[in-house]
This record gives sequence, C-alpha cells and structure tokens, in this order.
Amino acid sequence: DAGVIQSPRHEVTEMGQEVTLRCKPISGHDYLFWYRQTMMRGLELLIYFNNNVPIDDSGMPEDRFSAKMPNASFSTLKIQPSEPRDSAVYFCASTIGSQERAQYFGPGTRLLVL
Amino acid sequence: LAKTTQPISMDSYEGQEVNITCSHNNIATNDYITWYQQFPSQGPRFIIQGYKTKVTNEVASLFIPADRKSSTLSLPRVSLSDTAVYYCLVGEGNQAGTALIFGKGTTLSVSS
Repeated sequence: DAGVIQSPRHEVTEMGQEVTLRCKPISGHDYLFWYRQTMMRGLELLIYFNNNVPIDDSGMPEDRFSAKMPNASFSTLKIQPSEPRDSAVYFCASTIGSQERAQYFGPGTRLLVL
Repeated sequence: LAKTTQPISMDSYEGQEVNITCSHNNIATNDYITWYQQFPSQGPRFIIQGYKTKVTNEVASLFIPADRKSSTLSLPRVSLSDTAVYYCLVGEGNQAGTALIFGKGTTLSVSS
C-alpha cells in the first residue's frame, strides 16, 4: 500500500491567494483527519470525516478554511484567502474505525504564505 | 480528554534503554494510552497503545501502573535513528474515529 498521499508537498503563495491541499487516504479506511502543525501551537486537529461525511469541524480556525471529501479516496482542504499566519505543515491522516486508535499520517504539505 | 504531562526533552546514548514517562492524573475509566513518534519533516507514526499493565511489540514496551495515572514508554537499546519527538495521548475508549489531541511531546536526542 502506498500509504496516505498528500499533494503538493510544498506550497509557497502570496497573501490573499487561494490554496488547495489534497489528500488520498489509504484504501479501505473510513476515517480521514486533517491536522495543522506549527512550532507555537503544536499539532492541532482541524476536521475529520467518517465515510466522507464531516463529523467534527470545530478545529477549523475560521471561515477562510473549508474541507471536502467528495468520495472515499479524495479530500481537499482549501484556504481562501490565505494569510501569513496560515503558514504551517498540514497533515492528512486516515484509519479504519474498527481498529485501535492508530492513525496513519501522510508526509504533510509545508505551506508558506508570504 | 485527560491532560498529559511529559518531559520536554531527553538525551541518551546509543545502546541504552530509554524510558519516557507521561503523567495523566485525570485519566478516565475508558481511556486508552497511545504513543506516537514523529521524525523531522514526517507525520506522526503510531508506536504502541495500552490500557493497563504491560504491552510489548517489536518496537517498544508500555508500562502502566495499577492506578493508570502515569505510563512509561520504554525503548530498548536506542540507536541514532530513534532521535525523534514522542507524544503521549490519552483518549476515550478504543475508538479509532476519535480525534487525537497531541501535546508538546518529548524530544529524544540519541548520541553516539
């Protein structure tokens, strides 16, 4: 299995631009999570899905952030408009609901907003 | 969710056993204890999970005393490649769908 795939791996953009991060979970996994990691705040949960349905989006910072999961093999996290304080590493993770609490993380997308 | 407290950093040498202790005084009856490892520029990786007593796998051991207010991750004979950040998490039940709350973690530095 290829593991969780994220793209792009690096993104540099200017303030005000739209940013779209992509994630392909491990085949067969029914939970998908989006996290953000910064030095100041550590690893934070933004939102998670179960069977493509958003379950908890209380971690989404503000309305500029949105996430979708149109099917079991694809999810996006969009930031519009982006701001410098959005600079962070964004991780996608997936797991199977019947297993222990082991989530499988992707390599992350390093976002820099200038 | 129970709050966890673990040392910010630890140093060790190759070949030594490393024990990282995590305090979780408010752990609930249904809470499990889970440890993750994170290397620079990578996502966290699940290491081990336990509820009580001792759990061992090919990577590490997890010791949990009877009161479950703390737990100790034991890494036998560490190598340079074990240099990473280790996170202790406590959460409800054995529900994979439950969101994970990561603390600051313990940065382990292994030297030769």
